[in-house]
Amino acid sequence: AQRVTQPEKLLSVFKGAPVELKCNYSYSGSPELFWYVQYSRQRLQLLLRHISRESIKGFTADLNKGETSFHLKKPFAQEEDSAMYYCALSPRNDYKLSFGAGTTVTVRA
Amino acid sequence: DAGVTQSPTHLIKTRGQQVTLRCSPKSGHDTVSWYQQALGQGPQFIFQYYEEEERQRGNFPDRFSGHQFPNYSSELNVNALWLGDSALYLCASSLGYSGSYSGELFFGEGSRLTVL
Repeated sequence: AQRVTQPEKLLSVFKGAPVELKCNYSYSGSPELFWYVQYSRQRLQLLLRHISRESIKGFTADLNKGETSFHLKKPFAQEEDSAMYYCALSPRNDYKLSFGAGTTVTVRA
Repeated sequence: DAGVTQSPTHLIKTRGQQVTLRCSPKSGHDTVSWYQQALGQGPQFIFQYYEEEERQRGNFPDRFSGHQFPNYSSELNVNALWLGDSALYLCASSLGYSGSYSGELFFGEGSRLTVL
């Protein structure tokens, strides 16, 4: 079975402060891991995936297989980062995603 | 490219009725997946269609069924609606089995179903 846990429902930070969104997963094999984001009045869209090892909009995410975690981080939050963030998992080369419950991030001026 | 389009955007049904939701995938995509998102929850996988066949299915009862047409568009049907089916239904498309894997799903804006 595959499961994704996002322990924080809400996260509020000040502009310029670091932000970290936690994601833990359980899966018996080697999964693909993703962060999806939904900005206000926009559709759900991919932010980044672990295989790409890239930084998108200043966000990075490191896969820690030992702790089965895939936390999302940004050193300096901006107001435009306010959104709902979902961590998601799928088997390798498979589009069947399992999503966490999501974390709402509010960046205050 | 309009991306993934879904219809209707909102609808209200009563318990026991049946509903059909429609989805057109992003241009060039051949695989359609459906997700149910209850209030305050993340999307849950219902099923996935490729080449007009159901390829994968999540933990949903047989009341949930679907179809994919030759133009890759898809329908989601739910029979014998009950209150717990009230949710946002999301359609997502991808270039699936026939293309190189990218891992990215493209989502529609969803159809919000309310069951009274």
